[in-house]
Amino acid sequence: DGGITQSPKYLFRKEGQNVTLSCEQNLNHDAMYWYRQDPGQGLRLIYYSQIVNDFQKGDIAEGYSVSREKKESFPLTVTSAQKNPTAFYLCASSIEGVSWEPQHFGDGTRLSIL
Amino acid sequence: GQQVMQIPQYQHVQEGEDFTTYCNSSTTLSNIQWYKQRPGGHPVFLIQLVKSGEVKKQKRLTFQFGEAKKNSSLHITATQTTDVGTYFCALPTPYNQGGKLIFGQGTELSVKP
Repeated sequence: DGGITQSPKYLFRKEGQNVTLSCEQNLNHDAMYWYRQDPGQGLRLIYYSQIVNDFQKGDIAEGYSVSREKKESFPLTVTSAQKNPTAFYLCASSIEGVSWEPQHFGDGTRLSIL
Repeated sequence: GQQVMQIPQYQHVQEGEDFTTYCNSSTTLSNIQWYKQRPGGHPVFLIQLVKSGEVKKQKRLTFQFGEAKKNSSLHITATQTTDVGTYFCALPTPYNQGGKLIFGQGTELSVKP
């Protein structure tokens, strides 16, 4: 069954701590994306990668970092520099990094501050 | 930069009533996508519109792309409780700007049985 797997489903961060959210896809998609969703809000793009070993900042990249060492994996690190990290984080992928391709989403990770 | 406005933000209807959400862009679009997110779930792709004036139907859902390709609408006929969720439009950016999507703020639909 092809799809996108995000883990963990829930994550708690202590002050000053970095945490990493996992995103794995077996759809053989080139492009992957990370979005942040706050209650009652739309999706805001954090980072995206159109191809392995390359990624670009989205609209709200400050306090976040990513890597794309493998086609299947696009982990997101929420650093201590992100002062308001509590949100729902969604990972998505598409066949290519072009705007006419639909995006497929994982189930998301809910991050909270302890 | 490119801006998107989606209205209304919330819509509460009685089961059986119709529902419409509107999406407006500040620029002419090459295409537009629509997604649905159930409560507690993730967005799921519904449809893509490409042609000026295009109308596409999926059962009780009707999607329209404006003649000027700057706006779109999603209309649900005779809503059911299974229609509950948030509906997002997503607008493209040019490939030389990353080819990424810009999502509207969404319209949250609640349906009273």
